[in-house]
Amino acid sequence: AQSVTQPDIHITVSEGASLELRCNYSYGATPYLFWYVQSPGQGLQLLLKYFSGDTLVQGIKGFEAEFKRSQSSFNLRKPSVHWSDAAEYFCAVALNQAGTALIFGKGTTLSVSS
Amino acid sequence: NAGVTQTPKFQVLKTGQSMTLQCAQDMNHEYMSWYRQDPGMGLRLIHYSVGAGITDQGEVPNGYNVSRSTTEDFPLRLLSAAPSQTSVYFCASSYFTGQAFFGQGTRLTVV
Repeated sequence: AQSVTQPDIHITVSEGASLELRCNYSYGATPYLFWYVQSPGQGLQLLLKYFSGDTLVQGIKGFEAEFKRSQSSFNLRKPSVHWSDAAEYFCAVALNQAGTALIFGKGTTLSVSS
Repeated sequence: NAGVTQTPKFQVLKTGQSMTLQCAQDMNHEYMSWYRQDPGMGLRLIHYSVGAGITDQGEVPNGYNVSRSTTEDFPLRLLSAAPSQTSVYFCASSYFTGQAFFGQGTRLTVV
């Protein structure tokens, strides 16, 4: 069965420091992978997605993610974190290319310290 | 353009009651789905639909029913509410682009 693991429940990063959030997936075929962000009390917003092609994908708000098939990973990175990036981040794998029918990880909460 | 609209935003039910959470989208999306979000559990897929008249079960379908009679609407029915169904419920829709658009959620409490 498809699954997504986010090993870090909570991460604290200093403002201006770099960020990497880890995501590992289990999926039999070529995965469709996503990162979503949820700010407190808000809905979910798509940061970026990977379907095929270039394994380094760029997203909104300066985020990027790298797909590594050999490691079954899709880690999210940002070179310099801003206080407004504090939120909960979810990695997900899709059961269909439309991107709904998503299997989510349990999420990583990002805190940003000044 | 309203996007994905969920009603109600808040609901309190007694154990054993039934209710329907409404979800409507005005983007003509073929694909729709329902999730529940619980602390520490992320979002879990309940049911999804790839078009009018076609639905399938997700990770946690027990206790929930869905139907898709129109492209716009995808209601979620709780047959006999249980305290374990206390959660925040999100509806999402997508065209064939890979981006899901989420509603603002329905916070359900079952007492």
